[in-house]
Amino acid sequence: QKEVEQDPGPLSVPEGAIVSLNCTYSNSAFQYFMWYRQYSRKGPELLMYTYSSGNKEDGRFTAQVDKSSKYISLFIRDSQPSDSATYLCAMSLYSSASKIIFGSGTRLSIRP
Amino acid sequence: EPEVTQTPSHQVTQMGQEVILRCVPISNHLYFYWYRQILGQKVEFLVSFYNNEISEKSEIFDDQFSVERPDGSNFTLKIRSTKLEDSAMYFCASRGGGSSYEQYFGPGTRLTVT
Repeated sequence: QKEVEQDPGPLSVPEGAIVSLNCTYSNSAFQYFMWYRQYSRKGPELLMYTYSSGNKEDGRFTAQVDKSSKYISLFIRDSQPSDSATYLCAMSLYSSASKIIFGSGTRLSIRP
Repeated sequence: EPEVTQTPSHQVTQMGQEVILRCVPISNHLYFYWYRQILGQKVEFLVSFYNNEISEKSEIFDDQFSVERPDGSNFTLKIRSTKLEDSAMYFCASRGGGSSYEQYFGPGTRLTVT
């Protein structure tokens, strides 16, 4: 079983739609959860981070963590063509080294 | 807004040559990392560095790899004798420390080994 599983897509939705991106994980020791956005051949850009179960909102983005189900989600409201990118879920242990384990990424395309 | 910078953006080298990839982490950050991403694959952890020593390294980070923080601002990754399979994007990341666990990534260096 992979440590972090993420549907690679591609996912194509019309502009203005609500997008739901998800990841599951197997290691219950993960405590810190992040979402990164990556454009082609660029570095991952941090979007959201949280270390607790529940929801965290930032503008059009909402991150949701359910530790009991080992499931995390990212919702994008009022999606824009500029949101087209690959979205990476990521997680780490609560430790000083805290390397990040990434999902494989979901490629998202927003159609105008 | 502070950001991680990396140079060069693209490096082409011949198999067996040594390469040094450079990074300037965000000022006042305490933890430094290198990751790599082979084309079409996921981002993979290579090494973490704190207080002038390696904290953790992955199986990928063998004796051909080394890291250094030579002057308090730069953070380098050296590959001693490059192989074809070292071709990838290499990302540097840094984090502040304390209760801040989020890592900020640089734009990457594309390494092509021919």
